[in-house]
Amino acid sequence: EIVLTQSPGTLSLSPGERATLSCRASQSVRNNYLAWYQQKPGQAPRLLIYGASSRATGIPDRFSGSGSVTDFTLTISRLEPEDFAVYYCQQYGSSPPFTFGPGTKVDIK
Amino acid sequence: QVTLRESGPALVKPTQTLTLTCTFSGFSLSTTGMCVTWIRQPPGKALEWLARIDWDDDTYYSTSLKTRLTISKDTSKNQVVLTMTNMDPADTATYYCARGVGASDYWGQGTLVTVSS
Repeated sequence: EIVLTQSPGTLSLSPGERATLSCRASQSVRNNYLAWYQQKPGQAPRLLIYGASSRATGIPDRFSGSGSVTDFTLTISRLEPEDFAVYYCQQYGSSPPFTFGPGTKVDIK
Repeated sequence: QVTLRESGPALVKPTQTLTLTCTFSGFSLSTTGMCVTWIRQPPGKALEWLARIDWDDDTYYSTSLKTRLTISKDTSKNQVVLTMTNMDPADTATYYCARGVGASDYWGQGTLVTVSS
């Protein structure tokens, strides 16, 4: 089973700043099948990035994903007020279970 | 338009069996490559992947919960059912179903299940 580790646990930033979130896998993620989700309080998660770097439909281009094998990054180029939320990575390439990471909370500094 | 909606009891007693139904529209689970996944989230905690069923009836389960979970589908009704046996207070969570060909691109709003006597 692949274990995902996300860092930092909390990221305190101001609107307009750049956010860099990390997701590290305990084993290689086949085909770089790594997704990122955003979750706001009381809401279901929303898919941001799939395949490590492809933006989902309707996702603004300030969100970008990168990385491969075991190390992946989500970057938000300039934080908007609506971007303060919890972000989860998930691997769906290797054998199930298709685990989630523990999340990174991006809050307002 | 793709939608998913979870339904089931809001409260179950310890040791009981939970049955949740995901009713969806806007896609068919008989389409090659399509799948529906169940995910849960205890209050204030992270997402936990539970189970998935694919268009070809393949099923996959959480390693830690696989002895308690069963996932099935009724393609004609556009429904996926998850059963979880021997419920415990630690299973209190919001349960989501989601569609995905890999990553989950559409989610239901979730249903909160509380386990308490």
